Amino acid sequence: QSALTQPAAVSGSPGQSITISCTGTSRDVGAYNFVSWFQLHPGKAPKLLISDVSERPSGVSNRFSGSKSGNTASLTISGLQADDEADYYCCSYVDSTNIWVFGGGTKLTVL
Amino acid sequence: EVQLVESGGSLVQPGGSLRLSCAASGFIFTDHYMDWVRQAPGKGLEWVGRIRNSGSGYATEYAAAVKGRFTISRDDSQNSLFLQMNSLKAEDTAVYYCARDSKSHEIDYWGQGTRVIVSS
Repeated sequence: QSALTQPAAVSGSPGQSITISCTGTSRDVGAYNFVSWFQLHPGKAPKLLISDVSERPSGVSNRFSGSKSGNTASLTISGLQADDEADYYCCSYVDSTNIWVFGGGTKLTVL
Repeated sequence: EVQLVESGGSLVQPGGSLRLSCAASGFIFTDHYMDWVRQAPGKGLEWVGRIRNSGSGYATEYAAAVKGRFTISRDDSQNSLFLQMNSLKAEDTAVYYCARDSKSHEIDYWGQGTRVIVSS
């Protein structure tokens, strides 16, 4: 099972909005609404930002939002802050396999 | 507060074995499926496998890269998750994360990871 496709890097200035895409196939991202997004800061436990494509867990800032169109899911971060500088990963269930696949990760730089 | 604390990572020779542990607290362990996810140096996250809870027969699923070599188990009496790794290869070198599944069976909490290095 191939990893989902994410841009290797994105950047933005404080206060701006950025969007990270996550492209899969009709067997994973396009199959169900089981797409999650995680934030990784070096040395810290990964953090869930979005589940079920667009659901934000309690405690996660409403600056983070998720969506999906066809085989591509997206994470949008609005009002960029310095602390948003991190790696971001999408994750999707793979249809009829009971396995999960991650994207290759996107490094966000806040300029 | 949900806490997941991994242990057991170390340097091991190719072909060797290692057992990782994850101590869980702050939630009803028996209610949740549990996962292992790894991240090799300079690489992205890779799902390793999952074990369901007793209600789902403790069924396990594995990524193709580790199937037949790795075994996930759990001890509900000790709120602990394990990863038995056999026939280790250099490409298994990674930080290994323990993770909890939400009630909808997507990962929602992670530990901080334990490092495994496979090298002679």
